Amino acid sequence: EDKVVQSPLSLVVHEGDTVTLNCSYEVTNFRSLLWYKQEKKAPTFLFMLTSSGIEKKSGRLSSILDKKELSSILNITATQTGDSAIYLCAVARRGTGNQFYFGTGTSLTVIP
Amino acid sequence: NAGVTQTPKFQVLKTGQSMTLQCAQDMNHEYMSWYRQDPGMGLRLIHYSVGAGITDQGEVPNGYNVSRSTTEDFPLRLLSAAPSQTSVYFCASSYSRVSDTQYFGPGTRLTVL
Repeated sequence: EDKVVQSPLSLVVHEGDTVTLNCSYEVTNFRSLLWYKQEKKAPTFLFMLTSSGIEKKSGRLSSILDKKELSSILNITATQTGDSAIYLCAVARRGTGNQFYFGTGTSLTVIP
Repeated sequence: NAGVTQTPKFQVLKTGQSMTLQCAQDMNHEYMSWYRQDPGMGLRLIHYSVGAGITDQGEVPNGYNVSRSTTEDFPLRLLSAAPSQTSVYFCASSYSRVSDTQYFGPGTRLTVL
């Protein structure tokens, strides 16, 4: 059965801390792994990773994929209160159509 | 561009009622999909479409119907609502069937009593 597992389920940190969110997957015919941020509304796209070992960066956020370990991490440095959200990991599977499998998400709360 | 729009934002139904959740996109995206989001369950794919006239089932299709008569619109029909269908529903679209970057609508919060 295809599945995506995220850890931790929730995290509370102080502003300025660095956090690492984890995503592991068991999905046949893997095509890509995506990270989304969800703030009480629709998920918004952060990164898409297809090749192992290549880091994607955007400001204080970065992510890397390890296809050997079937996992990915999302790092957020110098956290701000605006980073408080649920972070979702999704894996796309090759097939006749686009099949996406989402993890349950990590809820991040950044305290001032 | 309005992006992906969904109506209504909120809906309360009684068990057994039927209704249609509307989804539209103005980005000429080929691929559209419907998800439901439940606490502790993440987003689960209900149905998807890779183009006008083509639809397929996702992970949790039972109790839902879809159609795709135009590129822009992808309505989701609840045939006979059940309390287990209480959820937040998101519509998403992407440029093509091989494009993995999805754009999500604002969601519809549905409660079935």
